[in-house]
Amino acid sequence: QSALTQPPSASGSPGQSVTISCTGTNNDVGAYNYVSWYQQHPGKAPKVLIFEVNKRPSGVPARFSASKSDNTASLTVSGLQAEDEADYYCFSYAGTKTFVFGTGTKVTVL
Amino acid sequence: QVQLVQSGAEVKKPGASLRVSCKTSGYPFSVYGITWVRQAPGEGLAWMGWISTHDGKTTYAENFQGRVTMTADTSTGTVHMDLRSLRSDDTAIYYCVRGEMTVIPGVLPHKLVDWGQGTLVTVSS
Repeated sequence: QSALTQPPSASGSPGQSVTISCTGTNNDVGAYNYVSWYQQHPGKAPKVLIFEVNKRPSGVPARFSASKSDNTASLTVSGLQAEDEADYYCFSYAGTKTFVFGTGTKVTVL
Repeated sequence: QVQLVQSGAEVKKPGASLRVSCKTSGYPFSVYGITWVRQAPGEGLAWMGWISTHDGKTTYAENFQGRVTMTADTSTGTVHMDLRSLRSDDTAIYYCVRGEMTVIPGVLPHKLVDWGQGTLVTVSS
């Protein structure tokens, strides 16, 4: 299982939007609607932002949104805030009860 | 409230074995699967595998097949993760995570909701 591909970094100014891609294959991202996204601040455990491609758990702000097209999933953070500066990871079902993470993207708020 | 409390930091020598424990509370233990994730220093998250706590069935990542064993103790609500033949690149923080209600047939732990605090494991001679 190879890690899903994410850009190493992304950035935006406060109030702007940033979109992070997560590219897999037709054996993982492209095959199932089980893509989730996690935010991790330094020294902290990750936190789920999105599950099943585009669903937000209660308590996650609506400025976090996500979608999927073919083998690529995307997370958009709208109205960037300082506290959004963190690492972001996608996570996908890969068949036969296995899963795989993305390589991670560091988001910087300029 | 839901809690996953992991065992403390470990320092191991190459070739040794490791056990990290994850004591759960605040929910019915056998209803939810437990996933293990690790993160090497400065690196990304890596999925290690998961255990279905109601029947003990496990699924492991290819990278860890043959070296890892996950077990569930329903009497104490604790999940153990054993890793053998440790190498220096096993140095990482290890997390246990509660996911979905895997007691329901066909449900998989695709959403990692509640995370333990992490256990730092250092492998060094």
